[in-house]
Amino acid sequence: DGGITQSPKYLFRKEGQNVTLSCEQNLNHDAMYWYRQDPGQGLRLIYYSQIVNDFQKGDIAEGYSVSREKKESFPLTVTSAQKNPTAFYLCASSIDGTGGKKQYFGPGTRLTVT
Amino acid sequence: GENVEQHPSTLSVQEGDSAVIKCTYSDSASNYFPWYKQELGKRPQLIIDIRSNVGEKKDQRIAVTLNKTAKHFSLHITETQPEDSAVYFCAASSASGGSYIPTFGRGTSLIVHP
Repeated sequence: DGGITQSPKYLFRKEGQNVTLSCEQNLNHDAMYWYRQDPGQGLRLIYYSQIVNDFQKGDIAEGYSVSREKKESFPLTVTSAQKNPTAFYLCASSIDGTGGKKQYFGPGTRLTVT
Repeated sequence: GENVEQHPSTLSVQEGDSAVIKCTYSDSASNYFPWYKQELGKRPQLIIDIRSNVGEKKDQRIAVTLNKTAKHFSLHITETQPEDSAVYFCAASSASGGSYIPTFGRGTSLIVHP
């Protein structure tokens, strides 16, 4: 799990500002994912990417954007359009997006918007 | 899409007792069922997984069973220890545009009292 990192650990922003969360992996994994974790809600998928320069919306993509310009990196931007951005954000990767692959999670970023 | 229900949301046991967490899923095409453990303030980590062609799998004190007909799977922890206290998530991977994306349950908070 040390092969996937997220920064920063804590992030504070004012309402109306966009903010970008970093996710980097050195596991040579093709697939990367962003999840949002709220108390009692489990892990909800925001976006995923199976390959460089391609990504797909998850269940709760509204108000978020991503890019996948490099295999190692999958940054998430939380835009001002996201109505309730305060949450714990987890990035994950797997060797590929075919069935039955273990996911490795990063340590998470806790975003607080006031 | 896939829908995963997980019960109970909280489980309190005495050290040495067994603990059982149950999940149901909706998509009969789901073929991979991992379980993740998330200790307080840490990232989720895979503890055991099972594929749709297997009915049961054991790893020391933990086991997972799968009933494809009824579309449910369960995590069994025997001889619980205080260090088993954590939130446990089940997931089911179903096809989405050619990729298999896991859908997570809402989590079970397991508390093991010494």
